[in-house]
Amino acid sequence: AQSVTQLDSQVPVFEEAPVELRCNYSSSVSVYLFWYVQYPNQGLQLLLKYLSGSTLVKSINGFEAEFNKSQTSFHLRKPSVHISDTAEYFCAVSRRGLQGAQKLVFGQGTRLTINP
Amino acid sequence: DTGVSQDPRHKITKRGQNVTFRCDPISEHNRLYWYRQTLGQGPEFLTYFQNEAQLEKSRLLSNRFSAERPKGSFSTLEIQRTEQGDSAMYLCASSPQGNRNTIYFGEGSWLTVV
Repeated sequence: AQSVTQLDSQVPVFEEAPVELRCNYSSSVSVYLFWYVQYPNQGLQLLLKYLSGSTLVKSINGFEAEFNKSQTSFHLRKPSVHISDTAEYFCAVSRRGLQGAQKLVFGQGTRLTINP
Repeated sequence: DTGVSQDPRHKITKRGQNVTFRCDPISEHNRLYWYRQTLGQGPEFLTYFQNEAQLEKSRLLSNRFSAERPKGSFSTLEIQRTEQGDSAMYLCASSPQGNRNTIYFGEGSWLTVV
């Protein structure tokens, strides 16, 4: 079975400051890794994903995450945040290589609050 | 592409009543998922359809829960004899054949059992 731990339940930062949201996972098999974002009263949106290849993946709005296999981590970073980045961020994993259901196992989420 | 659509968005019901949620996935997505999200937690997998076949169910899905996808398009999730512990957001998601790692979520259906 897989599990995901998001080390910070809340992260307050000032606008234009850098931010890192931490994610560690546990799995006995290889996994795919994802970050989803949930804005207030909305569903989840895929932010970025690691399937294979380069361990550094980037989103279109300036976020990036790096897969670190030895540390079983997939931390999310942004060098300069904006008020509009205020949201809940979820890290998720799924087993590699299975056909059929691609079940996501989510962490508990990190609430990112950007202060002016 | 209108996205995954869920209805109703909010439902308040009395304990013991039955409720039904509907999900319309993105057109031509053959995979459909239901997840449940309680306050302060990440979503948890409930069940999965490939076309009209329900191929997997979580142990979270008690016998009061039933999901269908009769024609391989829209899906319904019914909860019978609701309990206060059923209060949560029920999320539907879909993914296309050939790209099952990109899962699109709907905006969710909030259920409050009073």
